[in-house]
Amino acid sequence: GQQLNQSPQSMFIQEGEDVSMNCTSSSIFNTWLWYKQDPGEGPVLLIALYKAGELTSNGRLTAQFGITRKDSFLNISASIPSDVGIYFCAGRQSIGVGGADGLTFGKGTHLIIQP
Amino acid sequence: GAVVSQHPSWVICKSGTSVKIECRSLDFQATTMFWYRQFPKQSLMLMATSNEGSKATYEQGVEKDKFLINHASLTLSTLTVTSAHPEDSSFYICSAMQGRNSPLHFGNGTRLTVT
Repeated sequence: GQQLNQSPQSMFIQEGEDVSMNCTSSSIFNTWLWYKQDPGEGPVLLIALYKAGELTSNGRLTAQFGITRKDSFLNISASIPSDVGIYFCAGRQSIGVGGADGLTFGKGTHLIIQP
Repeated sequence: GAVVSQHPSWVICKSGTSVKIECRSLDFQATTMFWYRQFPKQSLMLMATSNEGSKATYEQGVEKDKFLINHASLTLSTLTVTSAHPEDSSFYICSAMQGRNSPLHFGNGTRLTVT
């Protein structure tokens, strides 16, 4: 089945640093989604990408849909303490492909900000 | 827009009792909702697809008699964990889509602890 390789698994950074994470796959996706999950809460949608090559920003966050449609990255600039959490990528091929929700999830990137 | 509300946010119950979790789409109608289970520091595991007006479809390995799903209206799906045991303790999350190719929006999760 489809798999998403999300890296890094965890990141220890200093406040103010930029962060970069990515997801890659051997399969082509039509949609890439990036979510953030805080402890004890559900994932919150950060950015949705629908076209190959698309570059979308949401405040300090920027995500890109890879040209090959097999990868996506998320950048966070000038990290702040509230950026701590788990970031998940999710790719969709079409409804019913992948999970029944049409999504294949990465395993998450744990972002930890050191004082 | 696209708010999904989940209730309760946490529940503690005794072994052998049943627990009902509600998932509501507050500002849109959702013919399909999804239920996930998440173990600590892991990604979301899709359990079942909740279909309004029809039976839920369950992922392989998920006991349908254990996890009862009812999608009685276009804005409400419920997950009932029947005869709960300590191994059912977990974080349960629901999600819904506004439209066929739109992103999934997640509820805020329910922490179930079975003693």
